[in-house]
Amino acid sequence: DAGVIQSPRHEVTEMGQEVTLRCKPISGHDYLFWYRQTMMRGLELLIYFNNNVPIDDSGMPEDRFSAKMPNASFSTLKIQPSEPRDSAVYFCASSTSGTLGPQHFGDGTRLSIL
Amino acid sequence: DQQVKQNSPSLSVQEGRISILNCDYTNSMFDYFLWYKKYPAEGPTFLISISSIKDKNEDGRFTVFLNKSAKHLSLHIVPSQPGDSAVYFCAPGGGGSEKLVFGKGTKLTVNP
Repeated sequence: DAGVIQSPRHEVTEMGQEVTLRCKPISGHDYLFWYRQTMMRGLELLIYFNNNVPIDDSGMPEDRFSAKMPNASFSTLKIQPSEPRDSAVYFCASSTSGTLGPQHFGDGTRLSIL
Repeated sequence: DQQVKQNSPSLSVQEGRISILNCDYTNSMFDYFLWYKKYPAEGPTFLISISSIKDKNEDGRFTVFLNKSAKHLSLHIVPSQPGDSAVYFCAPGGGGSEKLVFGKGTKLTVNP
């Protein structure tokens, strides 16, 4: 069974550029989560969707970050303009168990902003 | 202010012995507690969970203990195997917080 698929696996870009991270959740999962992992702050929830609708974006650090889920099989996290402090590993996860049940994570996108 | 603390950044044990990973939390309203395991260059994978109505949950070699009065949970792995070497995250939630809050993790190394 295909798990959560994220692309790209690695992204290196210069500050000021637009970055788009992509996620394909597991088919049939109605919750989708975006997380960011850094050494300083650990794993933080940025935003989550239920049935393609954004429910809680309180973890999105600032207006430079935006996320969309145009359909049940695709989501994007966009950073525009990017800054060096955005460098982190970004994970997408999906679930059928709500926000407090087991979530299935993708392998992440390692983002480096120079 | 960290709501969830895993005070041991790393732990090393011998194969066959018990591994005990600890997690403390500050929000007494949390009522669901999950453990995840993470290998390098992979995403976290769900391992085991417990709800606040129980104080112990067991799944094979893995047992989670919850002490609500102390706001403390622990994960026991016995016997430990080299393949258990990974970073382990506790992630409580619920009780008004409809999001999991992840600890910073403990890196477990099981030596052959």
